[in-house]
Amino acid sequence: DVKVTQSSRYLVKRTGEKVFLECVQDMDHENMFWYRQDPGLGLRLIYFSYDVKMKEKGDIPEGYSVSREKKERFSLILESASTNQTSMYLCASSLFGTENGYTFGSGTRLTVV
Amino acid sequence: AQTVTQSQPEMSVQEAETVTLSCTYDTSENNYYLFWYKQPPSRQMILVIRQEAYKQQNATENRFSVNFQKAAKSFSLKISDSQLGDTAMYFCALRTMEYGNKLVFGAGTILRVKS
Repeated sequence: DVKVTQSSRYLVKRTGEKVFLECVQDMDHENMFWYRQDPGLGLRLIYFSYDVKMKEKGDIPEGYSVSREKKERFSLILESASTNQTSMYLCASSLFGTENGYTFGSGTRLTVV
Repeated sequence: AQTVTQSQPEMSVQEAETVTLSCTYDTSENNYYLFWYKQPPSRQMILVIRQEAYKQQNATENRFSVNFQKAAKSFSLKISDSQLGDTAMYFCALRTMEYGNKLVFGAGTILRVKS
């Protein structure tokens, strides 16, 4: 069964901490994505990557960075966590073509206190 | 610009009945793909159904079917014989090369199935 695995289901961090959210896929997908999901705002794209070592800003990249050193792993980094980054974070991966949907991880609910 | 609009924030349906969720979209491309995703309380996003714009035949997956109206840019999801397990947030999404080959999501519709 194909999978996207997010390292933590729930996470509580303090303001100012550096936070790493890890995502690993086992499907040899080129594309990987990080979204945040907030009530009433839907899914908003933070960063994405078309291939290893590549990264592109999404719609709300401020306060975040990413790393993709290996094809299967895409990490989201909160350099200095703030309370307005409390949210649900979803990772997804896909093959490149437009005919392909995304496969999602089960999400990480991050609370910054 | 690509946009996906789901005009129904919340809906409810009785178990065993049929419900239709609405979605409209906008794109300047001729070929694209449309998707419906389901997100139950467990939070796992699941692909429900997919439609290619060039195919006139509406996609069907068991109790789930779509009504794809290309000229009207409408892509509604029909759930027949609703079950309690269908309770979830449903997202409509569009994927084209116009937006860098990324999915554009609607805001979602919360569906509650009542017993």
